[in-house]
Amino acid sequence: GENVEQHPSTLSVQEGDSAVIKCTYSDSASNYFPWYKQELGKRPQLIIDIRSNVGEKKDQRIAVTLNKTAKHFSLHITETQPEDSAVYFCAVMTTDSWGKLQFGAGTQVVVTP
Amino acid sequence: GAVVSQHPSRVICKSGTSVKIECRSLDFQATTMFWYRQFPKKSLMLMATSNEGSKATYEQGVEKDKFLINHASLTLSTLTVTSAHPEDSSFYICSALRLAGGETQYFGPGTRLLVL
Repeated sequence: GENVEQHPSTLSVQEGDSAVIKCTYSDSASNYFPWYKQELGKRPQLIIDIRSNVGEKKDQRIAVTLNKTAKHFSLHITETQPEDSAVYFCAVMTTDSWGKLQFGAGTQVVVTP
Repeated sequence: GAVVSQHPSRVICKSGTSVKIECRSLDFQATTMFWYRQFPKKSLMLMATSNEGSKATYEQGVEKDKFLINHASLTLSTLTVTSAHPEDSSFYICSALRLAGGETQYFGPGTRLLVL
Protein backbone atom coordinates (compact mmCIF):
# COMPACT_ATOMS: atom_id res chain seq x y z
CA GLY A 1 0.00 0.00 0.00
CA GLU A 2 0.89 3.66 -0.17
CA ASN A 3 3.30 5.07 2.41
CA VAL A 4 3.40 8.84 2.91
CA GLU A 5 6.13 10.47 4.95
CA GLN A 6 6.01 14.13 5.93
CA HIS A 7 8.81 16.32 7.27
CA PRO A 8 9.42 18.21 9.41
CA SER A 9 6.97 17.40 12.21
CA THR A 10 7.31 20.94 13.59
CA LEU A 11 8.44 24.14 11.92
CA SER A 12 8.98 27.47 13.56
CA VAL A 13 9.47 30.49 11.30
CA GLN A 14 9.77 34.22 11.74
CA GLU A 15 6.95 36.28 10.28
CA GLY A 16 7.81 37.21 6.71
CA ASP A 17 10.09 34.21 6.15
CA SER A 18 9.26 31.20 3.97
CA ALA A 19 8.15 27.77 5.14
CA VAL A 20 8.70 24.53 3.24
CA ILE A 21 7.16 21.16 4.05
CA LYS A 22 8.08 18.02 2.14
CA CYS A 23 6.27 14.75 1.60
CA THR A 24 7.47 11.56 -0.01
CA TYR A 25 5.32 8.72 -1.27
CA SER A 26 5.98 5.18 -2.39
CA ASP A 27 3.35 4.25 -4.99
CA SER A 28 4.23 5.34 -8.52
CA ALA A 29 0.53 5.09 -9.41
CA SER A 30 -0.21 8.09 -7.19
CA ASN A 31 -1.77 10.89 -9.20
CA TYR A 32 -3.36 13.47 -6.89
CA PHE A 33 -1.61 15.39 -4.13
CA PRO A 34 -3.60 17.83 -1.97
CA TRP A 35 -2.45 19.88 0.99
CA TYR A 36 -4.74 20.60 3.93
CA LYS A 37 -4.49 23.17 6.72
CA GLN A 38 -6.08 22.31 10.05
CA GLU A 39 -6.47 24.70 12.95
CA LEU A 40 -6.96 23.29 16.43
CA GLY A 41 -10.33 21.58 16.78
CA LYS A 42 -11.39 22.55 13.25
CA ARG A 43 -11.93 20.75 9.98
CA PRO A 44 -9.07 20.29 7.48
CA GLN A 45 -9.25 22.94 4.76
CA LEU A 46 -7.89 22.30 1.28
CA ILE A 47 -5.33 24.99 0.50
CA ILE A 48 -3.82 23.73 -2.74
CA ASP A 49 -3.60 20.56 -4.78
CA ILE A 50 -1.67 19.26 -7.74
CA ARG A 51 -2.15 16.45 -10.20
CA SER A 52 0.53 14.19 -11.59
CA ASN A 53 0.56 15.83 -15.02
CA VAL A 54 1.73 19.14 -13.56
CA GLY A 55 5.08 19.99 -11.94
CA GLU A 56 4.19 23.16 -10.09
CA LYS A 57 1.16 25.14 -9.04
CA LYS A 58 0.92 28.50 -7.32
CA ASP A 59 -1.85 30.40 -5.58
CA GLN A 60 -0.75 33.75 -4.16
CA ARG A 61 1.65 32.98 -1.27
CA ILE A 62 1.23 29.22 -1.53
CA ALA A 63 2.86 26.92 -4.04
CA VAL A 64 3.25 23.18 -4.48
CA THR A 65 5.96 21.42 -6.47
CA LEU A 66 5.89 17.80 -7.58
CA ASN A 67 8.80 15.58 -8.56
CA LYS A 68 7.29 12.38 -9.89
CA THR A 69 10.63 10.74 -10.57
CA ALA A 70 11.80 11.18 -7.00
CA LYS A 71 8.27 10.66 -5.64
CA HIS A 72 8.13 13.76 -3.51
CA PHE A 73 6.13 16.95 -3.38
CA SER A 74 6.53 20.08 -1.31
CA LEU A 75 4.42 22.92 0.05
CA HIS A 76 5.95 26.39 -0.04
CA ILE A 77 4.50 29.30 1.93
CA THR A 78 6.11 32.67 1.31
CA GLU A 79 5.87 35.84 3.39
CA THR A 80 4.44 33.89 6.32
CA GLN A 81 1.95 35.55 8.64
CA PRO A 82 0.82 34.61 12.18
CA GLU A 83 -2.49 33.35 10.74
CA ASP A 84 -0.52 30.72 8.81
CA SER A 85 0.12 28.98 12.14
CA ALA A 86 -1.66 25.61 11.98
CA VAL A 87 -1.06 21.94 11.28
CA TYR A 88 -0.51 21.14 7.61
CA PHE A 89 -1.17 17.70 6.16
CA CYS A 90 -0.12 16.37 2.80
CA ALA A 91 -2.14 13.58 1.23
CA VAL A 92 -1.85 11.21 -1.70
CA MET A 93 -4.41 9.47 -3.88
CA THR A 94 -3.59 6.54 -6.17
CA THR A 95 -5.32 5.55 -9.39
CA ASP A 96 -6.28 2.14 -8.01
CA SER A 97 -7.86 3.63 -4.88
CA TRP A 98 -9.69 6.52 -6.48
CA GLY A 99 -11.14 8.90 -3.93
CA LYS A 100 -9.22 7.53 -0.95
CA LEU A 101 -6.56 9.75 0.57
CA GLN A 102 -3.52 8.58 2.50
CA PHE A 103 -2.41 11.38 4.84
CA GLY A 104 1.01 12.33 6.06
CA ALA A 105 1.65 12.68 9.78
CA GLY A 106 1.31 16.46 9.72
CA THR A 107 3.54 19.49 10.33
CA GLN A 108 2.88 21.94 13.15
CA VAL A 109 3.82 25.36 11.78
CA VAL A 110 4.32 28.24 14.20
CA VAL A 111 4.83 31.72 12.81
CA THR A 112 6.25 34.10 15.38
CA PRO A 113 5.72 37.85 14.99
CA GLY B 1 -20.39 25.87 -2.28
CA ALA B 2 -19.41 22.37 -1.16
CA VAL B 3 -20.40 22.62 2.48
CA VAL B 4 -20.40 19.55 4.70
CA SER B 5 -21.99 19.56 8.14
CA GLN B 6 -21.77 17.13 11.05
CA HIS B 7 -24.08 16.65 13.94
CA PRO B 8 -23.56 16.65 16.84
CA SER B 9 -20.39 18.68 17.19
CA ARG B 10 -19.76 17.29 20.66
CA VAL B 11 -21.20 14.36 22.54
CA ILE B 12 -20.56 12.90 25.97
CA CYS B 13 -22.00 9.49 26.70
CA LYS B 14 -21.77 6.71 29.24
CA SER B 15 -19.85 3.56 28.54
CA GLY B 16 -22.03 0.94 26.86
CA THR B 17 -24.34 3.32 25.03
CA SER B 18 -24.49 3.88 21.27
CA VAL B 19 -23.87 7.20 19.59
CA LYS B 20 -24.95 8.25 16.10
CA ILE B 21 -23.08 10.91 14.13
CA GLU B 22 -24.56 12.44 11.00
CA CYS B 23 -22.65 13.79 8.03
CA ARG B 24 -24.53 15.88 5.49
CA SER B 25 -23.54 17.53 2.24
CA LEU B 26 -25.62 20.70 2.28
CA ASP B 27 -25.36 22.05 -1.23
CA PHE B 28 -24.20 19.13 -3.34
CA GLN B 29 -24.78 15.44 -3.89
CA ALA B 30 -22.15 13.05 -2.61
CA THR B 31 -22.03 9.49 -3.87
CA THR B 32 -19.04 8.77 -1.66
CA MET B 33 -18.33 9.87 1.89
CA PHE B 34 -15.42 8.95 4.10
CA TRP B 35 -15.17 8.59 7.85
CA TYR B 36 -11.94 9.42 9.65
CA ARG B 37 -10.78 9.22 13.21
CA GLN B 38 -8.23 11.66 14.59
CA PHE B 39 -6.40 11.40 17.92
CA PRO B 40 -4.91 14.51 19.55
CA LYS B 41 -1.91 15.83 17.62
CA LYS B 42 -2.15 12.96 15.16
CA SER B 43 -3.08 12.56 11.54
CA LEU B 44 -6.41 11.54 10.06
CA MET B 45 -6.93 7.80 9.99
CA LEU B 46 -9.39 6.54 7.40
CA MET B 47 -11.95 4.22 8.99
CA ALA B 48 -14.29 3.45 6.12
CA THR B 49 -15.62 4.49 2.74
CA SER B 50 -19.36 4.99 2.51
CA ASN B 51 -21.11 4.68 -0.84
CA GLU B 52 -24.73 5.64 -1.33
CA GLY B 53 -26.96 2.60 -1.61
CA SER B 54 -24.30 0.01 -0.85
CA LYS B 55 -22.38 -1.42 2.07
CA ALA B 56 -19.49 0.54 3.47
CA THR B 57 -15.93 -0.59 2.90
CA TYR B 58 -13.90 -0.72 6.10
CA GLU B 59 -10.16 -0.27 6.45
CA GLN B 60 -8.09 -3.02 7.95
CA GLY B 61 -8.41 -3.18 11.71
CA VAL B 62 -11.70 -1.26 11.90
CA GLU B 63 -14.55 -3.34 13.36
CA LYS B 64 -17.59 -3.03 11.12
CA ASP B 65 -19.92 -4.25 13.87
CA LYS B 66 -18.55 -1.60 16.19
CA PHE B 67 -18.73 1.29 13.75
CA LEU B 68 -21.94 0.99 11.76
CA ILE B 69 -22.17 3.12 8.65
CA ASN B 70 -25.29 3.88 6.67
CA HIS B 71 -25.42 6.00 3.49
CA ALA B 72 -29.10 6.11 2.70
CA SER B 73 -29.16 9.16 0.43
CA LEU B 74 -26.87 11.26 -1.73
CA THR B 75 -26.59 13.85 1.04
CA LEU B 76 -26.45 11.87 4.27
CA SER B 77 -24.15 9.30 5.83
CA THR B 78 -24.31 8.21 9.46
CA LEU B 79 -21.74 6.60 11.71
CA THR B 80 -22.99 4.77 14.79
CA VAL B 81 -20.49 3.87 17.49
CA THR B 82 -22.10 0.88 19.18
CA SER B 83 -21.53 -0.01 22.83
CA ALA B 84 -19.07 2.82 23.18
CA HIS B 85 -16.12 2.52 25.55
CA PRO B 86 -13.62 5.13 26.77
CA GLU B 87 -11.09 4.04 24.15
CA ASP B 88 -13.59 5.12 21.46
CA SER B 89 -13.22 8.71 22.62
CA SER B 90 -11.84 10.65 19.68
CA PHE B 91 -12.48 13.31 17.04
CA TYR B 92 -14.52 11.82 14.18
CA ILE B 93 -14.49 13.66 10.85
CA CYS B 94 -16.36 12.90 7.66
CA SER B 95 -15.60 14.05 4.15
CA ALA B 96 -17.53 13.94 0.91
CA LEU B 97 -16.79 13.72 -2.79
CA ARG B 98 -19.03 15.68 -5.11
CA LEU B 99 -20.97 13.75 -7.71
CA ALA B 100 -18.99 14.31 -10.93
CA GLY B 101 -16.80 16.74 -9.02
CA GLY B 102 -13.38 15.16 -9.20
CA GLU B 103 -11.06 14.12 -6.42
CA THR B 104 -11.48 17.02 -4.01
CA GLN B 105 -12.71 15.91 -0.58
CA TYR B 106 -14.74 18.38 1.43
CA PHE B 107 -14.52 17.87 5.17
CA GLY B 108 -17.12 18.23 7.87
CA PRO B 109 -16.32 20.16 11.07
CA GLY B 110 -15.86 17.00 13.10
CA THR B 111 -17.56 15.46 16.13
CA ARG B 112 -15.76 15.18 19.43
CA LEU B 113 -16.86 12.06 21.27
CA LEU B 114 -16.11 11.54 24.95
CA VAL B 115 -17.10 8.24 26.51
CA LEU B 116 -17.12 8.19 30.31
